[in-house]
Amino acid sequence: EVQLVESGGGLVQPGGSLRLSCAASGFTFSSYDMHWVRQATGKGLEWVSAIGTAGDTYYPGSVKGRFTISRENAKNSLYLQMNSLRAGDTAVYYCARSESIAAPLSPWGQGTLVTVSS
Amino acid sequence: SYVLTQPPSVSVAPGKTARITCGGNNIGSKSVHWYQQKPGQAPVLVIYYDSDRPSGIPERFSGSNSGNTATLTISRVEAGDEADYYCQVWDSSSDHPRVFGGGTKLTVL
Repeated sequence: EVQLVESGGGLVQPGGSLRLSCAASGFTFSSYDMHWVRQATGKGLEWVSAIGTAGDTYYPGSVKGRFTISRENAKNSLYLQMNSLRAGDTAVYYCARSESIAAPLSPWGQGTLVTVSS
Repeated sequence: SYVLTQPPSVSVAPGKTARITCGGNNIGSKSVHWYQQKPGQAPVLVIYYDSDRPSGIPERFSGSNSGNTATLTISRVEAGDEADYYCQVWDSSSDHPRVFGGGTKLTVL
């Protein structure tokens, strides 16, 4: 069974940093592009970052320069390093898989909650 | 960046057909994907590349895309279909290429 399990969320002060992890199982992790998508409480979905099989990375302007996506294929793991966090970054963060950078996302993990507050 | 517009809510009686629209400039030239999200759960892909259905998704779910509107159609709606639905495209010319619509809450009356 394909499974994605996020961890690392929690409460962090504005300006602080946090590193999220996503453990993958049930498929050949190194063969897939991976993504982070976030959702603030009661709000819609927002794509946060992507990483290709070759390590190429993609970010929207809202997080570029603050967030860094990375992967460790030997550990079947995806990461999101988040720096200079703001209240607006408060959300549930999901990791998801795709067959190419522009392909649909499936499946998604269950998410991990990040709260930025003093 | 590219904008996708969905109605905030759609209501339908059980057994009837629900249509959820997703508007965007010349969206017919892009591939549209649809996700279903039930309360407290992660999104699930229900339609991809406009009209393909992943394994395990009922045939009641279908999609179309033309001109400035993509549509997710759910036939013979069941109570279990009540959820938020999001459309999504990839706009390669944008600095925010993976774009989601604002979501539509489907209520089964």
